[in-house]
Amino acid sequence: SQQGEEDPQALSIQEGENATMNCSYKTSINNLQWYRQNSGRGLVHLILIRSNEREKHSGRLRVTLDTSKKSSSLLITASRAADTASYFCATRRDSWGKLQFGAGTQVVVTP
Amino acid sequence: DVKVTQSSRYLVKRTGEKVFLECVQDMDHENMFWYRQDPGLGLRLIYFSYDVKMKEKGDIPEGYSVSREKKERFSLILESASTNQTSMYLCASSPKQGLVTEAFFGQGTRLTVV
Repeated sequence: SQQGEEDPQALSIQEGENATMNCSYKTSINNLQWYRQNSGRGLVHLILIRSNEREKHSGRLRVTLDTSKKSSSLLITASRAADTASYFCATRRDSWGKLQFGAGTQVVVTP
Repeated sequence: DVKVTQSSRYLVKRTGEKVFLECVQDMDHENMFWYRQDPGLGLRLIYFSYDVKMKEKGDIPEGYSVSREKKERFSLILESASTNQTSMYLCASSPKQGLVTEAFFGQGTRLTVV
């Protein structure tokens, strides 16, 4: 089964609004990562949050982690059309660095 | 800028052909990965390599093989392409095990098998 399931599957918002997406996972983790994928492109790393952190910020991104609920959320504030992309959470499967990805949340930001 | 480069953005191949997808990274990373991405299924790991000439099967290795003769290059081989291998293929690299860091991805190869 997938480790790292995003919710919602799709999100449509207007420029300036905030976008929130959630990720749930099943097993214990050392860290959780969020990636962005623009249409037809590779994934780009956005932010990593360690298991001993509860919240982390990077520019307009805010990530929270609740290890007791095995969930994380990604908030994009003041969204822009350029934020239109799919967003994936990923957890490490093993010490080698293999990542387990969910199916992603597709975000569309309209001007 | 760190870089993972995949040899083709788009490929169209015929059923039964042997297909090579090439990936090169310039970050001296030990780990390299091949993923396949299909709508609704997310990214699925095909093969993983943690060193030159070392490889490990991922979740969906059937119909694929890999080659890593040099540290910077990781090739995915479709021995006899089939239409169900039509997909987006993503290569990634990361530093060796134990480090808390991210994976770096190539731009992807969209393969169509006809």
